[in-house]
Amino acid sequence: GAGVSQSPSNKVTEKGKDVELRCDPISGHTALYWYRQSLGQGLEFLIYFQGNSAPDKSGLPSDRFSAERTGGSVSTLTIQRTQQEDSAVYLCASSSGQANQPQHFGDGTRLSIL
Amino acid sequence: GNSVTQMEGPVTLSEEAFLTINCTYTATGYPSLFWYVQYPGEGLQLLLKATKADDKGSNKGFEATYRKETTSFHLEKGSVQVSDSAVYFCALSDYMYSGGGADGLTFGKGTHLIIQP
Repeated sequence: GAGVSQSPSNKVTEKGKDVELRCDPISGHTALYWYRQSLGQGLEFLIYFQGNSAPDKSGLPSDRFSAERTGGSVSTLTIQRTQQEDSAVYLCASSSGQANQPQHFGDGTRLSIL
Repeated sequence: GNSVTQMEGPVTLSEEAFLTINCTYTATGYPSLFWYVQYPGEGLQLLLKATKADDKGSNKGFEATYRKETTSFHLEKGSVQVSDSAVYFCALSDYMYSGGGADGLTFGKGTHLIIQP
């Protein structure tokens, strides 16, 4: 399909393990975004990429979170030493990067930390 | 900083009722405003947008007008259907303030809408 693709759709892991979440944006979209959706916090913006660069990483919740993007396409969000409070749905979105253009979202990865 | 405030609900209406979901915002620059919808078990979908003052976004019978004087972007629909049951998110993007670069969306907490037959 032509939409934003995220994998896995569900991930269950034990506390303390590392997890890697993947996002494949819409072809040609230069901007890519990560968000976290949880019951207590609503939708939180984490980080965005323009091309392969992330100008502002201050939205990442802690230094256990990191993200990278290679080739201006696929991005991975990595959470090290997971904690129970990391349980949430992680959403990825992409856009053309031009002014006023909307972001298109994937279906998300539901992460559950036991 | 930027923020979006919307009624959280749940909002329960009967089919064919008139819908208003209020949304107000604070922003430093010149935001674009959006409504996203999340149907049960699905991802976020863009419903409509407005990029400058007095613009009206519309889609699927829903409308919202960008009111700079009241910093509002209320969502309305004249006659709701059961299929409109979903969570609705108001959001803004402060593109210009970000220096012309892509900007993350600031979301409201979402309004859960339930339409009863």
